[in-house]
Amino acid sequence: DVKVTQSSRYLVKRTGEKVFLECVQDMDHENMFWYRQDPGLGLRLIYFSYDVKMKEKGDIPEGYSVSREKKERFSLILESASTNQTSMYLCASSLYLFRDGGSNEQFFGPGTRLTVL
Amino acid sequence: GIQVEQSPPDLILQEGANSTLRCNFSDSVNNLQWFHQNPWGQLINLFYIPSGTKQNGRLSATTVATERYSLLYISSSQTTDSGVYFCAVGTSSASKIIFGSGTRLSIRP
Repeated sequence: DVKVTQSSRYLVKRTGEKVFLECVQDMDHENMFWYRQDPGLGLRLIYFSYDVKMKEKGDIPEGYSVSREKKERFSLILESASTNQTSMYLCASSLYLFRDGGSNEQFFGPGTRLTVL
Repeated sequence: GIQVEQSPPDLILQEGANSTLRCNFSDSVNNLQWFHQNPWGQLINLFYIPSGTKQNGRLSATTVATERYSLLYISSSQTTDSGVYFCAVGTSSASKIIFGSGTRLSIRP
């Protein structure tokens, strides 16, 4: 079974702090994704990575950056946390992307509920 | 872009009842997944079903790609089935998957 883990289930930070959210997958997947989920807005893609050190912006990249130094690990970074970044953050991975001819079936981690005070 | 609509938005049932959840999409898709989001927020993969029918225990799903819809069936509902059910679709031109707004299912004992 695919296993995707996230470093924290709950996190409370102060405005202006630098925040790191970590995600690790154990199935040698090429692609990893960061989403945020907000009531009434659904799940929105922040960034994804299709290879080590490669990344692409999603729908809402502003205020975020990402890092993928190793294939199994994908980090989401909030350079200076703000209250409007309080949200549920979900990491996912997939073996293939559609543009590569694959299925893009995505598997999700347990999520991190981030509160920025 | 592609639109994904789920119905009904909310569903309240007694334990033991059967239910059908629907997902309509506005364009051809190559990927369709059903997820269950449990009360702790985790998205659990139920089915990867771009076409055809699959069954897993009390759950089954059917996707009719030519008519642009998918159905999720839950039989003999249990309280642990409560949560939000999402469908998500993908196309060959995009790397991301698009989520519907979900169906919130509440199973009463």
